[in-house]
Amino acid sequence: GQNIDQPTEMTATEGAIVQINCTYQTSGFNGLFWYQQHAGEAPTFLSYNVLDGLEEKGRFSSFLSRSKGYSYLLLKELQMKDSASYLCAEPPGNNRLAFGKGNQVVVIP
Amino acid sequence: NAGVTQTPKFRVLKTGQSMTLLCAQDMNHEYMYWYRQDPGMGLRLIHYSVGEGTTAKGEVPDGYNVSRLKKQNFLLGLESAAPSQTSVYFCASSSSGTGAFATNEKLFFGSGTQLSVL
Repeated sequence: GQNIDQPTEMTATEGAIVQINCTYQTSGFNGLFWYQQHAGEAPTFLSYNVLDGLEEKGRFSSFLSRSKGYSYLLLKELQMKDSASYLCAEPPGNNRLAFGKGNQVVVIP
Repeated sequence: NAGVTQTPKFRVLKTGQSMTLLCAQDMNHEYMYWYRQDPGMGLRLIHYSVGEGTTAKGEVPDGYNVSRLKKQNFLLGLESAAPSQTSVYFCASSSSGTGAFATNEKLFFGSGTQLSVL
């Protein structure tokens, strides 16, 4: 089976750091994706993890622990444009992607 | 660069009416997907296709039909619309799927269709 869990909303100030968590349960693991979705727009790809550890891409980093079924997305030096929903997603194995409900991040001045 | 194009962008239907949403991609992708997004529910997969002439059911297929007659197009049909189908619909494509074949293949999404069924 497969079940992705994410908290729903958080508020942070410009320049701060936020961590968005995602837990998943799956019988077979094919990696974990993070997508960003601004209000009224389509999701866009942020990162992909298949091995344990931290992947860094500029201000955004993604971490994976396969043994714990856990991932997080770290947003550093928050900017107003980072206000968006952040979705984790996992392929259940057969050529499709299953998404969590997303975590809304609101950045305030 | 067009990428993934969805038409129409907005539509209002009456209960019982039918319509077809069109998704077109110009990236020669094999895999195409239709998702719906509702508040508090996240993105849920309706149907998908792993190549021209193929279709498969996703998580919430009831009330929808799809066709993939040409590789670049993936059509989503509602035969008899219901208010429960009011949603934002997203089409997506990827070059080689997101399962065991190519586990780092990301999805490219269209801009979405806002559908209201009254």
